[in-house]
Amino acid sequence: GAVVSQHPSRVICKSGTSVKIECRSLDFQATTMFWYRQFPKQSLMLMATSNEGSKATYEQGVEKDKFLINHASLTLSTLTVTSAHPEDSSFYICSAKSGRSPDEQFFGPGTRLTVL
Amino acid sequence: AQKITQTQPGMFVQEKEAVTLDCTYDTSDPSYGLFWYKQPSSGEMIFLIYQGSYDQQNATEGRYSLNFQKARKSANLVISASQLGDSAMYFCAMREGPIYNFNKFYFGSGTKLNVKP
Repeated sequence: GAVVSQHPSRVICKSGTSVKIECRSLDFQATTMFWYRQFPKQSLMLMATSNEGSKATYEQGVEKDKFLINHASLTLSTLTVTSAHPEDSSFYICSAKSGRSPDEQFFGPGTRLTVL
Repeated sequence: AQKITQTQPGMFVQEKEAVTLDCTYDTSDPSYGLFWYKQPSSGEMIFLIYQGSYDQQNATEGRYSLNFQKARKSANLVISASQLGDSAMYFCAMREGPIYNFNKFYFGSGTKLNVKP
């Protein structure tokens, strides 16, 4: 149980386009989802916390107009990178908090974004 | 101040030997949880072990054990009988605040473990 999926796993796009990444909790309801960004050989940096039905809470330094987060249901959160640039190339990981095991977050497999 | 500090960017260990990965944390909250995750080259984050701040005993999960020293604010991961498949990045993380009312995790910078045959 407690499986989180991400789609797509890998995406390559041109500079200036927008990319949507989906994060789904497959077998549980996730009231809270987290979005992380990870540069090569670095740690995970929290970008935002997404609560179902409300606006996401962004970490300091993260542009909310550039990284749009929508948590429309208890099983789906989306991250849209708008007008992507090469510096947005990174590994994006989502995680979900389960009501059954609230002390733990379950990670998705990640999405590797490359902006040309 | 860093919430989670991992001072070993890289470690080598011989197959079948034990290895300790260091982690220290900083919090003034009496309620917190400490986690270790493994991240292989594929990128997925694999949960290994958890220790709650009020737990009296050190956590163990198979070959993994957590050496929890609360006064020193350290939560070192011990991997016994290392296997080649243990080669990966290892992250220490902390949940700060009560179980039902926390809003984020803090991650350390990671330790790259290489297991030699």
